[in-house]
Amino acid sequence: GAVVSQHPSWVICKSGTSVKIECRSLDFQATTMFWYRQFPKQSLMLMATSNEGSKATYEQGVEKDKFLINHASLTLSTLTVTSAHPEDSSFYICSARDNRGLSEQYFGPGTRLTVT
Amino acid sequence: AQSVTQLDSQVPVFEEAPVELRCNYSSSVSVYLFWYVQYPNQGLQLLLKYLSGSTLVKGINGFEAEFNKSQTSFHLRKPSVHISDTAEYFCAVSAPTDSWGKLQFGAGTQVVVTP
Repeated sequence: GAVVSQHPSWVICKSGTSVKIECRSLDFQATTMFWYRQFPKQSLMLMATSNEGSKATYEQGVEKDKFLINHASLTLSTLTVTSAHPEDSSFYICSARDNRGLSEQYFGPGTRLTVT
Repeated sequence: AQSVTQLDSQVPVFEEAPVELRCNYSSSVSVYLFWYVQYPNQGLQLLLKYLSGSTLVKGINGFEAEFNKSQTSFHLRKPSVHISDTAEYFCAVSAPTDSWGKLQFGAGTQVVVTP
């Protein structure tokens, strides 16, 4: 089946530093990937849509200069949280759409970010 | 735009009992509908999806859901739950006309199965 990986699975960083999270589709190509944020006991909130070779499209209220997204290949998208603050602590989940035209998204296992 | 309402935030259920998780959606266009399960500290796994055709959809792990267009619902059911079904369940909708296939999620329903 389609597998999406995320790295790291968890990270602790100091306030003011930047953190990069990788999302990879392991056995399929994905022109489109998505980044979500999930607070404890809440639903997933779509942050941005990442398209290979073009700029990401951010949802309303998401700071594009704070959450940098790069989708440099058909199997890799990265999310960089710049100048992280404690309020950025959250569970970040990516998903990817298979280029073969399937309708579903395949989700990564998530990355737990804690900013101290 | 689409929206999804999951009517129950938490559903306690005894092992081997049936369970139904309710999901209603709102949309001005036709929709695709999905149910996902999330185990603690993990990503989402697709249980089943409705794209078109038969309104009764069977998924993995013994789950099924029925699409009801007149009631704009897509309720999830399992006739006999196991302890391992304890998890968070999300209903989601997307529009076939959305070329990116963006998903709109409901708030989630926590299922707690007890012996």
